[in-house]
Amino acid sequence: NAGVTQTPKFQVLKTGQSMTLQCAQDMNHEYMSWYRQDPGMGLRLIHYSVGAGITDQGEVPNGYNVSRSTTEDFPLRLLSAAPSQTSVYFCASRRQGNSYEQYFGPGTRLTVT
Amino acid sequence: GDSVTQMEGPVTLSEEAFLTINCTYTATGYPSLFWYVQYPGEGLQLLLKATKADDKGSNKGFEATYRKETTSFHLEKGSVQVSDSAVYFCAIQGAQKLVFGQGTRLTINP
Repeated sequence: NAGVTQTPKFQVLKTGQSMTLQCAQDMNHEYMSWYRQDPGMGLRLIHYSVGAGITDQGEVPNGYNVSRSTTEDFPLRLLSAAPSQTSVYFCASRRQGNSYEQYFGPGTRLTVT
Repeated sequence: GDSVTQMEGPVTLSEEAFLTINCTYTATGYPSLFWYVQYPGEGLQLLLKATKADDKGSNKGFEATYRKETTSFHLEKGSVQVSDSAVYFCAIQGAQKLVFGQGTRLTINP
């Protein structure tokens, strides 16, 4: 199993540009989520999904959009990039149920200039 | 809402020292508790977990006990190694969300 994969690893955007961060998992996990990691703030939840066709907002959803058309894929769209979105983004997946651990991807480092 | 408070870092220790990283939480219901570790340049990986009161999670010499009465899940290791240098995150799993503490950067000197 490849686990959770993310592309790209690094990205530089100009303010106002849009882009999609890709996330895929091959473990047949129902639950997928996106986090951003900023210095001194831990990881904050952006959006999550409990299954194909079902998404919901997390703690910091503004400026981001998600969809879940398949179990495997959960892309994150930046609609109009802003410098405040400079961060490291992690995708994660787990089986449905609170006792299961989350598996994290390697991350995407995004810089918005 | 749910929240996690972790011991502020950075923490610097000598090899073979005893480690404690404090973690307390506030939550409704009975969350599962986790410690994740992030090595430089990598994503997070599970270190250990506990899913009910008085459970003890353990892995790689690290331990943490789910203390409901003090709402705590402190991470301990009896003798740290240079290879334990990393950032450690305490987290609680509520209904649908995993909530993280701010992370504690640990550096072990030889």
